[in-house]
Amino acid sequence: LAKTTQPISMDSYEGQEVNITCSHNNIATNDYITWYQQFPSQGPRFIIQGYKTKVTNEVASLFIPADRKSSTLSLPRVSLSDTAVYYCLVARQGNQGGKLIFGQGTELSVKP
Amino acid sequence: EPEVTQTPSHQVTQMGQEVILRCVPISNHLYFYWYRQILGQKVEFLVSFYNNEISEKSEIFDDQFSVERPDGSNFTLKIRSTKLEDSAMYFCASRPGREQYFGPGTRLTVT
Repeated sequence: LAKTTQPISMDSYEGQEVNITCSHNNIATNDYITWYQQFPSQGPRFIIQGYKTKVTNEVASLFIPADRKSSTLSLPRVSLSDTAVYYCLVARQGNQGGKLIFGQGTELSVKP
Repeated sequence: EPEVTQTPSHQVTQMGQEVILRCVPISNHLYFYWYRQILGQKVEFLVSFYNNEISEKSEIFDDQFSVERPDGSNFTLKIRSTKLEDSAMYFCASRPGREQYFGPGTRLTVT
């Protein structure tokens, strides 16, 4: 599975839009991109996933350019409760195992 | 909303003892996983389980570890002869499709 690289930490203020970019240069044709959120002492929680172009749900948007070598998670109007670690992962379609390989993630700190 | 549950929330054991961590995945899910997270470190994949057998395991998941789905609801992780370095949060996860649902974790402390 492709290795992912994302910033170690980011700071933001309440009400701002936060964009976290992840690079995955070696992504394969049958890989998709997925993002998880983790609060301290809790299990990771799924945010969004996509294969190409743009995906939006009630929590976030995911932008994937045509070459799929990077992706950007966009969190609109963050609040203090969005302070967490955000993980970008590449997972394989049709993989019966379906394991997730986590990196260090991006520690987002939202300030008042 | 259905959730993955795990018991106990915290387990303290002495080095060399055996522990069993329990998980109840979401009922209609078919794929099950164990991950661990040592304090301050990243989440690490241990094992995946499908159709009543292990489908994939990591290098961490050696003979010290075993998994079982003893009935239609529970999914257990057994750690034999625990070591100090087994101290970590252990997360169970399950999925119906692509999205994995994680439990709240069991904090294992080996003294």
